[in-house]
Amino acid sequence: NAGVMQNPRHLVRRRGQEARLRCSPMKGHSHVYWYRQLPEEGLKFMVYLQKENIIDESGMPKERFSAEFPKEGPSILRIQQVVRGDSAAYFCASSPQVGKLFFGSGTQLSVL
Amino acid sequence: SQQGEEDPQALSIQEGENATMNCSYKTSINNLQWYRQNSGRGLVHLILIRSNEREKHSGRLRVTLDTSKKSSSLLITASRAADTASYFCATDHSNTGNQFYFGTGTSLTVIP
Repeated sequence: NAGVMQNPRHLVRRRGQEARLRCSPMKGHSHVYWYRQLPEEGLKFMVYLQKENIIDESGMPKERFSAEFPKEGPSILRIQQVVRGDSAAYFCASSPQVGKLFFGSGTQLSVL
Repeated sequence: SQQGEEDPQALSIQEGENATMNCSYKTSINNLQWYRQNSGRGLVHLILIRSNEREKHSGRLRVTLDTSKKSSSLLITASRAADTASYFCATDHSNTGNQFYFGTGTSLTVIP
């Protein structure tokens, strides 16, 4: 049973481009969470999704950021028109139900 | 903000010593969890303690929870160099569904 898979591992974008981060949850997990981490800081909650539904997006900026978790395929975190301040590590986690989270290895986004 | 806070921010000890980290939070919780993060990696779940529990053990880990003080502590006994990592507490709050709030972390260095 593979763990939570995130890709790409590293993503470099120029200002104004789009960034797409993918997350495949563990098999059987229907809850997906996205977190953002800046160096030397904790994880900041962004969005919580279940299949085809956004349950809580209170931590996600209203503009430029969107997330989806379709019926088939991975969850996608999309950042449009990236700016330097978007540079961070983005972690995805999944869980089968309320309880512990299983994390992916993260995507390090660098905006030039 | 419902984000937890860990204390201390950084801790350096000799191998074999015990390490204690604390976490404080602000509002009532369903459960509290501790996670470990090695540099550049995703978080790994260590232990979960429910709001009606006061103490829990797992190997060399001991977690306590004091809901009256809204605080938890993580004790690592007989530390090893391999325990060097950042440790985060995450709180699952009663009124926010399945959203997990992470603290800022304690960076532990175990000197061989």
